[in-house]
Amino acid sequence: EDQVTQSPEALRLQEGESSSLNCSYTVSGLRGLFWYRQDPGKGPEFLFTLYSAGEEKEKERLKATLTKKESFLHITAPKPEDSATYLCAVQASGDYKLSFGAGTTVTVRA
Amino acid sequence: GAVVSQHPSRVICKSGTSVKIECRSLDFQATTMFWYRQFPKQSLMLMATSNEGSKATYEQGVEKDKFLINHASLTLSTLTVTSAHPEDSSFYICSALPSSGGDTQYFGPGTRLTVL
Repeated sequence: EDQVTQSPEALRLQEGESSSLNCSYTVSGLRGLFWYRQDPGKGPEFLFTLYSAGEEKEKERLKATLTKKESFLHITAPKPEDSATYLCAVQASGDYKLSFGAGTTVTVRA
Repeated sequence: GAVVSQHPSRVICKSGTSVKIECRSLDFQATTMFWYRQFPKQSLMLMATSNEGSKATYEQGVEKDKFLINHASLTLSTLTVTSAHPEDSSFYICSALPSSGGDTQYFGPGTRLTVL
């Protein structure tokens, strides 16, 4: 069974204080690893897809990286508007279903 | 692009009634859509996979007779919660997989169901 574990559960940052979120996974053949952002009371918003170890993707202050066992989401010089829950999900080979982790709730104080 | 809508955004109903939630892909076609539920401070749990023109595939532990799914067109899937009870109160979210290709699911804004 696919498993996704995210840490920490919550992260409180000062504006400008860079940090990283971790997503550890086990899957029977990785099709893709996905990062989504979810604001309270809203649906997840797509951020990145990573397919193979060593791959990196960037979007504004966010950078996602992938190894064979985990993924990191780096937040550089965060702003209050980066406050959200960040969800990691894996998709196994031969399937389009997503298995989600519990998420990391990031709060950025001005 | 890749916009998914849900209707209604919020619904309150009495115990024993049925509620229908619509999920539409607005600017793309989706042969496959997914339905999730999310309890407070928990992550998304997949309920079922909806395929246009065929029966939905339900995850283990999800009652197919209680959560009826219809995917009648390439842009619309519906979830009907039949004989709803307070324990069915939750945040229901759909996602759509573009028929044009790719692995990314695009999510709707969610529907908050409260059963009194």
